[in-house]
Amino acid sequence: DGGITQSPKYLFRKEGQNVTLSCEQNLNHDAMYWYRQDPGQGLRLIYYSQIVNDFQKGDIAEGYSVSREKKESFPLTVTSAQKNPTAFYLCASTVASGRTGELFFGEGSRLTVL
Amino acid sequence: GQSLEQPSEVTAVEGAIVQINCTYQTSGFYGLSWYQQHDGGAPTFLSYNGLDGLEETGRFSSFLSRSDSYGYLLLQELQMKDSASYFCAVDMDTGRRALTFGSGTRLQVQP
Repeated sequence: DGGITQSPKYLFRKEGQNVTLSCEQNLNHDAMYWYRQDPGQGLRLIYYSQIVNDFQKGDIAEGYSVSREKKESFPLTVTSAQKNPTAFYLCASTVASGRTGELFFGEGSRLTVL
Repeated sequence: GQSLEQPSEVTAVEGAIVQINCTYQTSGFYGLSWYQQHDGGAPTFLSYNGLDGLEETGRFSSFLSRSDSYGYLLLQELQMKDSASYFCAVDMDTGRRALTFGSGTRLQVQP
């Protein structure tokens, strides 16, 4: 079955450590996204990529980095520069050519900083 | 810039109809989407309005009025499993092809 796989599902990190969240999709989608969700809040855009080897900052990119070396993969690194990284991170993808407003989400990665 | 407003919480009883409103302010606009998210889960797509009017998908309908910068999600024949958070999201007509989400409406369905 096609879908988006995020790992790990739960992650604990000490302050000052970088951590990388994995996002893999087998939907053959061109566009991929990373959103952050805090408790009781909406989703805020961190980074997005419309095509391999290209990505753009979203609304809250500071303290995060991404790469898009393969169409299927869009990993997110939460760096030590991110002041408040504890959150629920959601990866999504869509077909770039159409504008259907439909994103396909992974199950999310919950990061806790100790 | 852009902003979306939706009520933070709505309560309704099983079998009833509930409407969740969304108003938006954006410098550009392409369409309005709705997503459902159960606690601890991933958002799932419900509907998209690219044009004014009503879109119906089973028990769920969504409406858009561009002139009023307003949309709503209508849930009919409410079931307990409909208890979740509902988000509206704007697809802006800019070079950035990414959705901007509202803060969500928590729907509680009571027996």
